[in-house]
Amino acid sequence: EVQLVESGGGLVQPGGSLRLSCATSGFTFTAYSMNWVRQAPGKGLEWLAYISSVGSPVYYADSVRGRFTISRDIAKNSLFLQMNTLRADDTAVYYCARNGYGDFRAEYLQEWGQGTLVTVSS
Amino acid sequence: DIQLTQSPSFLSASVGDTVTITCRASQGISSYLAWYQQKPGKAPKLLIYGASTLQSGVPSRFRGRGSVTEFTLTITSLQPEDFATYYCQQFDSYPRTFGQGTKVEIK
Repeated sequence: EVQLVESGGGLVQPGGSLRLSCATSGFTFTAYSMNWVRQAPGKGLEWLAYISSVGSPVYYADSVRGRFTISRDIAKNSLFLQMNTLRADDTAVYYCARNGYGDFRAEYLQEWGQGTLVTVSS
Repeated sequence: DIQLTQSPSFLSASVGDTVTITCRASQGISSYLAWYQQKPGKAPKLLIYGASTLQSGVPSRFRGRGSVTEFTLTITSLQPEDFATYYCQQFDSYPRTFGQGTKVEIK
């Protein structure tokens, strides 16, 4: 069974940093590209970042480029999102999501974690 | 960036109804479109990818059609568990973008 389990969310002050983790199991981690997606309270889905199966290339949404960094650790079968210079509008549930298997034609978000809540507030 | 516009934003329907949601792209995306279902407090779930391919385990009452800039998701014979919010998403280019969502509620 495929499992994606996010952790690391919580309350952080504006300007602060947080590192989210996504522990994966049930599939060959090195064969799949991964993403982070977020959802602000009562709002729609916003794609944030992508990392290929081999760690490069990476892509970011304009809203987080330069502040957030996506990475992966194949030894731990885990995905990470380092978030710096956090703002109130970064408050959201953050999901990790795995793409389908294959090339660019399979880059839909096939598997999702349950999400972790990040609240940015003083 | 590619903008996706869903219509309607809200839909009221009864069990057994057939409903259709439209997703329009601001530029051509071939068939690189997916549809997701999200229930309150839950993660989104992939329903359809490649505009029309049903994800494994998804009931056949869900049907996706379209290409280039106009896409539809049709749900035939609505079931109680289908009342949720539906999102389209393009995977043609970066940044990936989602439609604003369509909430399907019970009439």
